[in-house]
This record gives sequence, C-alpha cells and structure tokens, in this order.
Amino acid sequence: QVHLQESGPGLVKPSQTLSLTCTVSGGSISSSSHYWSWIRQPAGKGLEWIGRIYTSGSTNYNPSLKSRVTISADTSKNQFSLKLTSVTAADTAVYYCARWGVIAADGTGWFDSWGQGTLVTVSS
Amino acid sequence: DIQMTQSPSSLSASVGDRVTITCQASQDVNNHLNWYQQKPGKAPKVLIYGASTLATGVPSRFSGRGSGTDFTFTISSLQPEDFATYHCQQYNKVPYIFGQGTKLEIK
Repeated sequence: QVHLQESGPGLVKPSQTLSLTCTVSGGSISSSSHYWSWIRQPAGKGLEWIGRIYTSGSTNYNPSLKSRVTISADTSKNQFSLKLTSVTAADTAVYYCARWGVIAADGTGWFDSWGQGTLVTVSS
Repeated sequence: DIQMTQSPSSLSASVGDRVTITCQASQDVNNHLNWYQQKPGKAPKVLIYGASTLATGVPSRFSGRGSGTDFTFTISSLQPEDFATYHCQQYNKVPYIFGQGTKLEIK
C-alpha cells in the first residue's frame, strides 16, 4: 500500500519561499497510471488544488497560483516537491500531497492516497 | 476556470435522517465529479467517483447522481460515523476544483 509523507518547515516568513517535499513509499512516482498533486486547506475552509506532476515531468498548475508555484520530482528518491514563492498570510494552510489514480482513458480517477498533511504558517 | 458551487455549507441532522448535498458546476463537466468525506484532522477519502460509482468498501447508504452541471450526493440513513465534511470535486478539466464543502453536524 502506498504511503505519502509531507515534510518541510512549519513556519515561513512573509515574502519568503515555502518548500515542501512529499516522500512516497510502497509505490513509484514513475508510475504511468498516477499523477502526483499538492492540495492545501486553510483552517475551516475548503480544499484548493495547487498543481500536479506526471512521470514524464509534465506539470499543471492552478492559474490562481501559477506565477508563484513550481512542482518538481526526484525519481531517484521517489519524492516530489512544492515551492511557493512570495508567500503571505493567505498561504497559511494545511498542505497535502496526494496521488491521483487514473482508471480510464477519459481521465476518470480520484485522489486515492493522501499524506497526513502538514500545517504551514506564514508569519514573521 | 470551472467554478463548483456546493450547498448547503452546513447541515444539522439526526441519526437515521436522509440528507442530500448538491454541487453545481459553472460549465458542463460530463460525469467527471467525485465526492469525498473528510473527518477532523484527517485527509479526505473518496466515496463516489464518476458522479455515481461507489468506491470500494463504501457503504451503500451513500449515493451520487447527476451529469453535466448538476449533481447530488445522498446519505439514505445517517449513521454516527457519517458526521463529517463532504466535498465535491470536478476533474473534467485542469485545474481540479473542489466545492466549498458541507459540514454535516449532529442535531
């Protein structure tokens, strides 16, 4: 069974860069049947999809964050990472990494595995 | 981007009640809609995919319907473990968008 674990600083200063890593075990990020995403959730609010990476290295980002986001992967370590630049208090949230499993050619699938989530607070 | 409008944002109900949550997309998403359950401090868990297909191991009291822009999620008879927050999510186009969530509370 695949396991995802987020890691990174829990406190980031305003205007700095938020950096998180998701370590995957029990499965390969090189799988052709999966996409690897970052999702965040401010306290008491809904879920916001940040972006994803595929085994080919191709990425897709939420336009609302695109200018500040980079998602990358290190297949040798079976990890993928998130960098979010120029953070403000509005970026304070629980950040999840998650796996999207594709079951059909039309892209049908769902987020089938999630990390436990890590709280990142933006504050001076 | 596609917008997902989920309602209600909160709902109080009793064990045994039938409850329905709606999710409306700002444009046609076909049947590319999932429903997730989230309990406090935990990651979401998929209940329904493809608008109406029950995920493996999910009790049959949960159901989903709809296609195009209008979707519903129903719990036929609430159980104590069902009090949680529910999210819809479209995957017809990137960016994936979630609804605002519905917090289901005990009356």
